[in-house]
Amino acid sequence: EAGVAQSPRYKIIEKRQSVAFWCNPISGHATLYWYQQILGQGPKLLIQFQNNGVVDDSQLPKDRFSAERLKGVDSTLKIQPAKLEDSAVYLCASSPWTSGFNEQFFGPGTRLTVL
Amino acid sequence: TQLLEQSPQFLSIQEGENLTVYCNSSSVFSSLQWYRQEPGEGPVLLVTVVTGGEVKKLKRLTFQFGDARKDSSLHITAAQPGDTGLYLCASPERNSGYALNFGKGTSLLVTP
Repeated sequence: EAGVAQSPRYKIIEKRQSVAFWCNPISGHATLYWYQQILGQGPKLLIQFQNNGVVDDSQLPKDRFSAERLKGVDSTLKIQPAKLEDSAVYLCASSPWTSGFNEQFFGPGTRLTVL
Repeated sequence: TQLLEQSPQFLSIQEGENLTVYCNSSSVFSSLQWYRQEPGEGPVLLVTVVTGGEVKKLKRLTFQFGDARKDSSLHITAAQPGDTGLYLCASPERNSGYALNFGKGTSLLVTP
């Protein structure tokens, strides 16, 4: 079974530029998460989707970050404009949907450097 | 959001040594997970503990969940270079669709 795919793996941009990340979850997984992991810290949830609906985006900086999951499969996360403090690894995870907690499977992440 | 504190933050040991890392909270965990993250990769689940006092073993790794479900430990026996990585504890946030709330992690380096 293929795992969670993310691209690109690395991205370097200058501040005030825009950037987009792509995630393809495990086939059949209804729930998709985007986490931000700053160097030296654990991952922090940005947004959670259930199929193509948003479950939680309370920690997403909506003035610059946006995310969508069209058709309930792939997802894109966009930053516009980027700030220096956005330098981090952006992790996508997916899980099957059942009531209660399910194991989350993580992709390799996209490492973003903002200069 | 529940605060998860991990210690130590960094650990550098030689192959063959034993080590223990800790995860604590001021409030009760509904359940707790331990992940290992290698450089350039996403976290990979090692174990989930649910019941107070629970002990689980995964080869040379022993996981304990405190009786009061406020703390957990991970003990590695005879560490090997392949154990190098970032060890993260995490708890599902029931109020936010069971998204994971992570600690800052313990960065472990095992040298030959």
